[in-house]
Amino acid sequence: SQELEQSPQSLIVQEGKNLTINCTSSKTLYGLYWYKQKYGEGLIFLMMLQKGGEEKSHEKITAKLDEKKQQSSLHITASQPSHAGIYLCGALHNNNDMRFGAGTRLTVKP
Amino acid sequence: DSGVTQTPKHLITATGQRVTLRCSPRSGDLSVYWYQQSLDQGLQFLIQYYNGEERAKGNILERFSAQQFPDLHSELNLSSLELGDSALYFCASSPHLGHYNEQFFGPGTRLTVL
Repeated sequence: SQELEQSPQSLIVQEGKNLTINCTSSKTLYGLYWYKQKYGEGLIFLMMLQKGGEEKSHEKITAKLDEKKQQSSLHITASQPSHAGIYLCGALHNNNDMRFGAGTRLTVKP
Repeated sequence: DSGVTQTPKHLITATGQRVTLRCSPRSGDLSVYWYQQSLDQGLQFLIQYYNGEERAKGNILERFSAQQFPDLHSELNLSSLELGDSALYFCASSPHLGHYNEQFFGPGTRLTVL
C-alpha cells in the first residue's frame, strides 16, 4: 500500500510549459526526497527537503515542502524533452521507515 | 554514471532457487542501501548497511538477507524464489549513516523468476 500519494500519475505537456507534481504523506515527514528515473534505470537524486517551508531549486526544477500539510510539490519551469521520465517522491517517516510514491510519468512533447 | 556498480545486470532463474546480487558502492561511501522495484509494489526500501553493520530494515522478507563486506561491497541473497520476487533490485550508496543524505543509485539488477 502506498503511504505517499503522488499526483498526477501521468502528465503530458508541451515543451516550454510549466508543470507541478504533488506528493502527500499520510504520516509525519522527517524528510522528503525527489528522484527522477528513466524507465528501467536507476534513480537520480534531485533534491531533499527537511524543514517546513523549505524550498530548493536546481536549474529549472523547484521543490517545496509544506510540513503542516505533510506535502511537497515539484515544479518544472519551461519544460524540455530532457525532463521526461518518472518522478518519484520518497518520504522519511522515521529513521527506518523510507517510503516511496508510485511515481509520476512525465512526457514532454516537442 | 553514479559510480555504483551492480552485477549481474540481468538474472533469470526458476522458482525455489537462490541468487546473489552484488553491489559495489562509490569509492569512500560507507552506507549501502538495497531497494526492490516491482510493478505492483513500486519502489520499496529493503535494508541498509553502514560500514559492515546492518543499520536499518525496511520491507525485507525473511527469505532475503544481505551483508556488507570489509571492502564495503554488499551482497543481497534471495532464496526460495517465488514468481512475485521478479523485480528490479537497486543498491544505492552514500557517504554517511543516516537517510538524510543524497543516495547514489546503481543501474539495478533485473531479476526474472520463471
